Amino acid sequence: RKEVEQDPGPFNVPEGATVAFNCTYSNSASQSFFWYRQDCRKEPKLLMSVYSSGNEDGRFTAQLNRASQYISLLIRDSKLSDSATYLCVAYNFNKFYFGSGTKLNVKP
Amino acid sequence: DAGITQSPRHKVTETGTPVTLRCHQTENHRYMYWYRQDPGHGLRLIHYSYGVKDTDKGEVSDGYSVSRSKTEDFLLTLESATSSQTSVYFCAISEFEGSRGKQPQHFGDGTRLSIL
Repeated sequence: RKEVEQDPGPFNVPEGATVAFNCTYSNSASQSFFWYRQDCRKEPKLLMSVYSSGNEDGRFTAQLNRASQYISLLIRDSKLSDSATYLCVAYNFNKFYFGSGTKLNVKP
Repeated sequence: DAGITQSPRHKVTETGTPVTLRCHQTENHRYMYWYRQDPGHGLRLIHYSYGVKDTDKGEVSDGYSVSRSKTEDFLLTLESATSSQTSVYFCAISEFEGSRGKQPQHFGDGTRLSIL
């Protein structure tokens, strides 16, 4: 079983839409969580850390549910520039575990 | 952007040859990581380092070795390259825990390695 699992998508949404991604992690001892975005043929870039109380950064909101072992990312008012692959990450004991990513296509 | 430089950026080589990839950081971060990324597999950890001369294996370490003789440099070596090691290789760095948990990783631009 993979440490972190995500729906690969793609999610095809119109501009202005709200879209949500979920990811589950298998190790209940995981300590920290992150969302990254990755553009085609580029390196992953940190989008935001995920805190237990939930956190927001502009149009992006991240939530953590430790009881159910899942992390979510909500994107409001989608822009064309949000088109990318979104990677969910769980950290435990010196190692970061990446999901395979969810692809988002925002259409005009 | 975090000061991480990977070299070379692209390399084509033949099966059986040794290959060394270099990751150089200017952030003085303690932790350094090597990943490979392949379609359908996402990012997979090869090796990581938690200090000078301190390294440990990741989930796909077979066929790879690493060395870290200085804080700023982390080398990945394929002793005898095989076609299955054709991939995109990313280096990442991270720091100690912060007040809100583990500090996130930051990535280099990647090295595209083709083994024919």
